[in-house]
Parts: sequence; C-alpha cells; structure tokens
Amino acid sequence: RKEVEQDPGPFNVPEGATVAFNCTYSNSASQSFFWYRQDCRKEPKLLMSVYSSGNEDGRFTAQLNRASQYISLLIRDSKLSDSATYLCVVKNQGGKLIFGQGTELSVKP
Amino acid sequence: DAGVTQSPTHLIKTRGQQVTLRCSPKSGHDTVSWYQQALGQGPQFIFQYYEEEERQRGNFPDRFSGHQFPNYSSELNVNALLLGDSALYLCASSLAGGYEKLFFGSGTQLSVL
Repeated sequence: RKEVEQDPGPFNVPEGATVAFNCTYSNSASQSFFWYRQDCRKEPKLLMSVYSSGNEDGRFTAQLNRASQYISLLIRDSKLSDSATYLCVVKNQGGKLIFGQGTELSVKP
Repeated sequence: DAGVTQSPTHLIKTRGQQVTLRCSPKSGHDTVSWYQQALGQGPQFIFQYYEEEERQRGNFPDRFSGHQFPNYSSELNVNALLLGDSALYLCASSLAGGYEKLFFGSGTQLSVL
C-alpha cells in the first residue's frame, strides 16, 4: 500500500463548478499535511497547509481527519486557471515529505 | 531574489551512461533535496543534503549519489543509467535540514534511450 494515495483523476469540470479531491495516508504518526499544485511538468508549488481544524484560503478549503487518516481539498467556483495537478503531501516522522501521485484537474469553459 | 535553478533543463542519454544534474538553492537556503518524478506519478524523495552531508535517503539504489558544495549548491549523479531512470528530476531547497516551505526548481527532464 502506498503511503499517500489520491483519487486517480482526471477530473474534467466546467467553469464555476465545485470540485473535491480526496487523499488518504497510511502512517498514523504523520505530522504535517499539505496540498501542492503542479502545472504541466513544471515545479510543484505549495498551495496550502492542512490543519486539524480545517482551513480556508479564498476559494480553497482543506480538511484533515486524523482518525480516518484522510485529507481533502475543496475548490469552489473553479476557474480555467485552476487546471493543474494537485498533489497531496504528508510529512512523515523522519521529516520527509511524501507525495501522492497527484490528481489532474481540467476546467473547461 | 534568485529562486532554485537547475541545469540542464533537458538531457538525453543512453543506457549504461552516467549523468550529472546540478542545482543552486534559493538565496538564503542551505539545504537541498532531490526528487524523481516519473510520468503520471508524484515526486519520489531521493536524498537530502545539508552541511555538505547526505542526511536522509529514500528508497533509491547506490547508483544514485550526490554532493553538496560549500556554497550550498548540489549535484545529483546517476551511474549505469536504466530506461526506468527517465523522469523529471526536481531539486528543492529549504533551511537548516528541514522540509518545511520547500521551494522547487523547474527540474531536469532526463530521457534514457
């Protein structure tokens, strides 16, 4: 079993749609959680950290459920510019960042 | 403020050859991590260099080695290339041996024929 698993995608949605990405992690001792965004074969960039209480940044909302070892990212009112691959990232006990395989999002006009 | 720079951007090699990839960290950063990203996969951690030493290593064979120089720049060397080594190699910099707030370079696309 992979340490971090994501929905395989791709997700094809119209502009204005709400889309949710799910992610599960296997190591219950994982310490920190993040969502990164990666445009086509470019470098990943930090989108947001994920906190137990849930956190929001504009149209983006991240949730963490430690009991279920589950992380989510919700994008509201999606824009064409949101088209990218979204990577779920978990920091393990040793401090290393473990990346999921990514979920591709394509927002269509 | 210079970000993370990697060279070359693209590289084509044949099986059995050796390759060296280079990375300069973001200004002010002293730690470099290397990742391999195969097509359709997330980045996989190769190793981290801090204070000119390999601090942590992922599940990669000894064919993958590295170095960090006094100016914090780093090299990734891969010997005896295999077809499966074809991937985007990403360098990320951070501070003080940590992994928080990683800044990635745009990567080196390696193709092994």
